[in-house]
Amino acid sequence: ETGVTQSPTHLIKTRGQQVTLRCSSQSGHNTVSWYQQALGQGPQFIFQYYREEENGRGNFPPRFSGLQFPNYSSELNVNALELDDSALYLCASRRGNNEQFFGPGTRLTVL
Amino acid sequence: AQSVTQLGSHVSVSEGALVLLRCNYSSSVPPYLFWYVQYPNQGLQLLLKYTTGATLVKGINGFEAEFKKSETSFHLTKPSAHMSDAAEYFCAVSGNAGGTSYGKLTFGQGTILTVHP
Repeated sequence: ETGVTQSPTHLIKTRGQQVTLRCSSQSGHNTVSWYQQALGQGPQFIFQYYREEENGRGNFPPRFSGLQFPNYSSELNVNALELDDSALYLCASRRGNNEQFFGPGTRLTVL
Repeated sequence: AQSVTQLGSHVSVSEGALVLLRCNYSSSVPPYLFWYVQYPNQGLQLLLKYTTGATLVKGINGFEAEFKKSETSFHLTKPSAHMSDAAEYFCAVSGNAGGTSYGKLTFGQGTILTVHP
């Protein structure tokens, strides 16, 4: 059984650009969540997808959007990047009400 | 609404000493509570969780935590620290299974544990 994988591992963008981060869920997992972890902080919930539909959102603006695909892989898109978007972005997946497993994260730096 | 407060951003212990990391939570619904560990440049690994039933929960690597509803606490302990325990630890809360907030974790700020030889 493969774990949760994320790509890329590191990314550097400039302010105003757009970025897409990718997550491949663990096999059989139908729910994926994304979290933002700023340096020195705990992760913050961005949103969750279940069966390709957004199923809950944290306190993040609309320029943070996502997609979940039929194979349960997913994307996090961020438009109009700001300096404060620099963070580690974590993806987590689970099946039903079972434990969720986290990927290693993508480190985004916005200059 | 849910929130988590971890008391102490840094905790330092000697190898072999007791580890105690404090976590208090607030939740408007019966909570599920979690402790995660994060090693440098890695994702989060679940140490243990409380859902229902027994309030003393045992996890991996010798860690355990006790859910105390009256104190709204879920402190993490380990009787004897190892060098390999040095990492950052996060307490988290979510709503219970079947509720709308299930799986949407609210994390504390984290506690960095340092273990001295």
